[in-house]
Amino acid sequence: DTAVSQTPKYLVTQMGNDKSIKCEQNLGHDTMYWYKQDSKKFLKIMFSYNNKELIINETVPNRFSPKSPDKAHLNLHINSLELGDSAVYFCASSQGLAGAWDSGELFFGEGSRLTVL
Amino acid sequence: GENVEQHPSTLSVQEGDSAVIKCTYSDSASNYFPWYKQELGKGPQLIIDIRSNVGEKKDQRIAVTLNKTAKHFSLHITETQPEDSAVYFCAASTGNQFYFGTGTSLTVIP
Repeated sequence: DTAVSQTPKYLVTQMGNDKSIKCEQNLGHDTMYWYKQDSKKFLKIMFSYNNKELIINETVPNRFSPKSPDKAHLNLHINSLELGDSAVYFCASSQGLAGAWDSGELFFGEGSRLTVL
Repeated sequence: GENVEQHPSTLSVQEGDSAVIKCTYSDSASNYFPWYKQELGKGPQLIIDIRSNVGEKKDQRIAVTLNKTAKHFSLHITETQPEDSAVYFCAASTGNQFYFGTGTSLTVIP
């Protein structure tokens, strides 16, 4: 009964490759996010979608492209992987917009650890 | 944009003692302040939150205080137990997105 599930959990790949991480939530939430957590544990928002519409697009290289086929899914595709892309990527969801009254709690997935060699 | 600072970055306490983690924020429009706990190998999980219309909230051994004038909020954990060992994140939101602090790694020594 996982609320926010992401696959794969671990991903090891070579520089220059292209990879994807998939995320699905079964909570019926309208908003989904991708966060990047670096080696110092800092959580940085990358993208946010509300009802399949992109609402937050932080300063992220255009090698990163999110895709939301429906409001229960938000996938992350990364082209031409670089060493600095190594991190843990978290998918999250919330009923409303982040922090919105009574609907803004974030639910995180368990993370996908990407290692670029 | 909002800037959230969190201190300390690491904290070790003896089991049974109290732990306090402090955060400051910069945007006076922020009105929602959640705290997340991240256990090893897991995603962050909400443990307590507070809105700008209250100054304190308590849930068993965990409490959060908010000082809007000074723009700071704190997490208090009493009677700490080994299972409290984790990374704790504060966050602030204006209702559009979260801005996270840099995290505090708490170790409770049995």
